Amino acid sequence: RKEVEQDPGPFNVPEGATVAFNCTYSNSASQSFFWYRQDCRKEPKLLMSVYSSGNEDGRFTAQLNRASQYISLLIRDSKLSDSATYLCAVEGAGKSTFGDGTTLTVKP
Amino acid sequence: GAVVSQHPSRVICKSGTSVKIECRSLDFQATTMFWYRQFPKKSLMLMATSNEGSKATYEQGVEKDKFLINHASLTLSTLTVTSAHPEDSSFYICSATGTRHTGELFFGEGSRLTVL
Repeated sequence: RKEVEQDPGPFNVPEGATVAFNCTYSNSASQSFFWYRQDCRKEPKLLMSVYSSGNEDGRFTAQLNRASQYISLLIRDSKLSDSATYLCAVEGAGKSTFGDGTTLTVKP
Repeated sequence: GAVVSQHPSRVICKSGTSVKIECRSLDFQATTMFWYRQFPKKSLMLMATSNEGSKATYEQGVEKDKFLINHASLTLSTLTVTSAHPEDSSFYICSATGTRHTGELFFGEGSRLTVL
């Protein structure tokens, strides 16, 4: 079993749609959680941190459920520019483990 | 966020040659740098963790003699792919953290290596 697993995707949605990604992790001792965005052939960039209390940044909301060991990312009112691969990351013991990523394509 | 720069962004080399990739932290002192490898449509695989002034810690399955990592200063780490072969072709990405590391990673631009 992988340490971090994500929805397989790809997700193809129309502009304005709401889309949600989930990610599960196996190590209960994990300490920090993040969502990264990666555009084609580019490096990942931090999108947002994830907290148990929830974290909202504009159209993006991230949530952590420690009991069930999953994190989620919700994107509301999708824009064409949201098309990218979204990676969840779980940090513990000084290093981060990434999911395989979920590809989102927002269409006009 | 912190600025990390990686060079070269793209390199094409012949089989058997060695290639060096540099990773620099531009506006902070990087006590720890991570080297990742990414295959197409796959996630980042951690290759090694390097701390300034000490030997790198390699992940299981990564050949330390094949992928030489040096972190001689607080702003520079290098990855040298020795005797490169076509199967080493990949996207290599570094990230760096400082003394106030809170878990998030800031990545270099990545280096796309193609071995002919």
